[in-house]
Amino acid sequence: DQQVKQNSPSLSVQEGRISILNCDYTNSMFDYFLWYKKYPAEGPTFLISISSIKDKNEDGRFTVFLNKSAKHLSLHIVPSQPGDSAVYFCAASTGNMLTFGGGTRLMVKP
Amino acid sequence: DAGVIQSPRHEVTEMGQEVTLRCKPISGHNSLFWYRQTMMRGLELLIYFNNNVPIDDSGMPEDRFSAKMPNASFSTLKIQPSEPRDSAVYFCASSLAQLNQPQHFGDGTRLSIL
Repeated sequence: DQQVKQNSPSLSVQEGRISILNCDYTNSMFDYFLWYKKYPAEGPTFLISISSIKDKNEDGRFTVFLNKSAKHLSLHIVPSQPGDSAVYFCAASTGNMLTFGGGTRLMVKP
Repeated sequence: DAGVIQSPRHEVTEMGQEVTLRCKPISGHNSLFWYRQTMMRGLELLIYFNNNVPIDDSGMPEDRFSAKMPNASFSTLKIQPSEPRDSAVYFCASSLAQLNQPQHFGDGTRLSIL
């Protein structure tokens, strides 16, 4: 039973445009959500997070939106850059434990 | 600042051999996590420690797997005996033991069991 799902395995976007990565969860006990970026042969790198008491958090080009009623979160990257090409994982937590989605491979074309 | 350090980066060994993976968490972090990444199951939590004490090991697949944290700066994940289906990338992560703290990952150990 996958509690955190990323339904798009891949996404291709033109440089300068917006990238939108989506994530759905089923467990209403999750209270903290994170996005990680992963390059090949490296570990996941923390990107941005949001608490369940908020619906938006912004950090430079990255914005995370949380819709608790729909149990859905999304990551917006504007403008997208070729260096953003990586696998993006969303994760949800209760306490200290993280549950990860399966990842979305983002390709930003120059 | 040094991040989470894992060793070895790659390990190739024959079935039946003992495998030991090592992790040094970020200094000052008091939670440590071991994950396994496979194509089939993605990133799954194996075990985590708070203040060197194992808190949840429900993700450890079998008795062949064991993990220890003898002190705040070192942890091991051991597989004995190893099997081909253990082949995966194993990640260690650390964080502060407070709510809503991001985990910081090492670069992983790619394990291949022949």
